[in-house]
Amino acid sequence: LAKTTQPISMDSYEGQEVNITCSHNNIATNDYITWYQQFPSQGPRFIIQGYKTKVTNEVASLFIPADRKSSTLSLPRVSLSDTAVYYCLVGLNNAGNMLTFGGGTRLMVKP
Amino acid sequence: AAGVIQSPRHLIKEKRETATLKCYPIPRHDTVYWYQQGPGQDPQFLISFYEKMQSDKGSIPDRFSAQQFSDYHSELNMSSLELGDSALYFCASSLASQGNQPQHFGDGTRLSIL
Repeated sequence: LAKTTQPISMDSYEGQEVNITCSHNNIATNDYITWYQQFPSQGPRFIIQGYKTKVTNEVASLFIPADRKSSTLSLPRVSLSDTAVYYCLVGLNNAGNMLTFGGGTRLMVKP
Repeated sequence: AAGVIQSPRHLIKEKRETATLKCYPIPRHDTVYWYQQGPGQDPQFLISFYEKMQSDKGSIPDRFSAQQFSDYHSELNMSSLELGDSALYFCASSLASQGNQPQHFGDGTRLSIL
């Protein structure tokens, strides 16, 4: 399983765009990149998943460069309710493969 | 949309007792996963089942066992409970047979050992 490295914490203000970068130098050819959000005492919530280039959904964008050794989660115009821990995971979500959560990024959005 | 349902939401036990946690996956999902999250820790994978067969195993103690039933719900059985078992236990489900489908998590069972 590819190891990931993310910032331990980030601060932002309401209305700003937040970009969280994750390094995964040992990503395998078949691995996907998945981001989860977790609030205290709640289960991780799926945000976005991608393999290469750019993926966008209603809540975030995911940018993956050609070498796939890193990825950037972009949250447009954050609000206080986006304060949470964000996890970057790399692997193959097939047939029961586990997810390895390694220290996420604690995002604090301030008013 | 239907989500992963876990029961109970909270459970208090004493040392050496047993506990059973239940997970009801999203309808039509064929795979369930169990994770343990201690206070201030990241979720740690315990075990998973794909089409009712164990598919992957993580750091699950020998005191714990799990299974997936014919209706795809899963149960995590925990025996000889220890203080260190106090944690949030999450179940997730996915439609793994469709390839690279994300796992969707329930809101967990908070287990407290006294």
